[in-house]
This record gives sequence, C-alpha cells and structure tokens, in this order.
Amino acid sequence: EAGVAQSPRYKIIEKRQSVAFWCNPISGHATLYWYQQILGQGPKLLIQFQNNGVVDDSQLPKDRFSAERLKGVDSTLKIQPAKLEDSAVYLCASSLIPGDSYTFGSGTRLTVV
Amino acid sequence: SQKIEQNSEALNIQEGKTATLTCNYTNYSPAYLQWYRQDPGRGPVFLLLIRENEKEKRKERLKVTFDTTLKQSLFHITASQPADSATYLCALNYGQNFVFGPGTRLSVLP
Repeated sequence: EAGVAQSPRYKIIEKRQSVAFWCNPISGHATLYWYQQILGQGPKLLIQFQNNGVVDDSQLPKDRFSAERLKGVDSTLKIQPAKLEDSAVYLCASSLIPGDSYTFGSGTRLTVV
Repeated sequence: SQKIEQNSEALNIQEGKTATLTCNYTNYSPAYLQWYRQDPGRGPVFLLLIRENEKEKRKERLKVTFDTTLKQSLFHITASQPADSATYLCALNYGQNFVFGPGTRLSVLP
C-alpha cells in the first residue's frame, strides 16, 4: 500500500513570500489532516478534512493560511504571506475514519528567512 | 488550561534494559490514547492504541498502560535495542482528532 505522499520535501522562502504544500493521502482514506511541527515540539493540528469538507480549522491562522481538498482526495496548504515563525515541518496525515490511527507523510520542512 | 507532558525531553538507557516513557495530561478526558514513533526527518509512525476501558495493551516488546484516574499513560519497551532510538509521542483523542504531546527522545546505548 502506498503511503501518504507530500511535496516538496524542503522549501526555503523569504518572509512575506507565499508557499504551497501538496499532499496525496492513502487511497480510500476519507479523513485528511495538516499538522505543524515546530522543532522540539509535538505536531499541532491546523486543519482536518472529512472528504472535501472542513471538520476542524479552529487552530488555522486564517489571515495567512488556507487549505483545500478538492474532490476529496489531494489537498493543498498555502501560506501567504509567510512569517519567520512559520518555519516548521508541515505534516499531512490521513485516516480511514475520524479518530482512527493516522498515517503520516514525511513532511515538508519550511524555512522562512 | 489543557496540557500534555511527557517525562524528560531525553532519556538514555543501556541496551537490553526496559525503557519507560510517561505521558501525563491535564484537563483532557480522552476515550483513547495512541503512541507514535518519530525518526529524524520522518513523519510519526503509529505504534499502539489503548482505550479508556483497557488497562494494558501489548505488541511484541511494547507495552502501554492507561490510568484515567492518574491521567497518565506509560509506554514500555522491553529488551531495548539501539534501533529503538527515536522520539516517542503520545496522542490523546480530542473530538475527532488527536492532540500530541511534545515527545521524549529515547537513546538506547550499545
């Protein structure tokens, strides 16, 4: 079974620039999550999708972050404009149903300079 | 306020010994709890899930306990090996998703 695919693996941008991350979950997994992991901390939920609908985006900084999951499969997370404090690893995960164990991708390491 | 704490940022043990990692939580009432392993540069990998009505769960050399009175989970690795060196994260179910602890970095020394 193919895992959760994420790209790019690394990205370096200047503050105030924009960036987008892509995620392809495991086939058949209806639930998709984006987590932000700052160095030395545990992952923090940004947004949860169930199929193509948003279940929880309470911790998403909506003034600069946006995410979509068109057609209920792939998802894109965007940051515009980026700040220095956005430097982190952005992890995508999927699960068969909400509350099930997650399968994570390898993440995108973002550095904002 | 809500908090999840994992004992010591880092834990060093000798190969062959049992590693015990702690996850304590405050102001959460999880129905179940998971443990994940994370290697550098990789996403977390699911290890075990334990429900509130289960006191203990085992998988090979791994054992997890869950005490809802103490608001604590213990994660044990018996006969530890250098290959067990990684960061271990506990995650509590919260609504329809999970909240993660900060992790404990385990180093098993040969």
